[in-house]
Amino acid sequence: NAGVTQTPKFQVLKTGQSMTLQCAQDMNHEYMSWYRQDPGMGLRLIHYSVGAGITDQGEVPNGYNVSRSTTEDFPLRLLSAAPSQTSVYFCASSIGRYNSPLHFGNGTRLTVT
Amino acid sequence: QKEVEQDPGPLSVPEGAIVSLNCTYSNSAFQYFMWYRQYSRKGPELLMYTYSSGNKEDGRFTAQVDKSSKYISLFIRDSQPSDSATYLCAMRGSGGGADGLTFGKGTHLIIQP
Repeated sequence: NAGVTQTPKFQVLKTGQSMTLQCAQDMNHEYMSWYRQDPGMGLRLIHYSVGAGITDQGEVPNGYNVSRSTTEDFPLRLLSAAPSQTSVYFCASSIGRYNSPLHFGNGTRLTVT
Repeated sequence: QKEVEQDPGPLSVPEGAIVSLNCTYSNSAFQYFMWYRQYSRKGPELLMYTYSSGNKEDGRFTAQVDKSSKYISLFIRDSQPSDSATYLCAMRGSGGGADGLTFGKGTHLIIQP
């Protein structure tokens, strides 16, 4: 059982470049979300989805786009990378939005120069 | 005042000791409380999930919630070097979903062999 799979594990971008961070889960979870984790800041929610075709903004959505065309996949897009987006990004999923724990992937470490 | 406060550590204890990790919070609406363990370069994994006040035990781990003091604890008995990790508390209100989770910034725990 793979759980939540994130690719790539590491990425270096130049300012202004775009890229997509991939997230896939094989647990048939309806709820998926993206967090960034920065030293001294903890985990902050970027975007989330309660099901295919439905997405919403979290605490720090600026500079990021998401879509949810299938239950399994929830990619995060950086349209024009900035050094402030240097961070570790985690994708998480749960059975539902309420009363179920989050399962996290192992993260993508992104550096923007 | 931050919603969730957690001492970042590091907390260093000898193998076999009882470890106490704590979080304080200010939002009296929080009803669900979680503890996650995060190894270096990995995603957080759920350790304990509790509702309202009281204790919950799972093997060497005990989670304790004191809503009157707005204080939660995680106790680790017979600590092992493999328990060395960062421990994150998380919490949300009864009406909030996974998107309403508030995380502490984590306590770095080191168990010395």
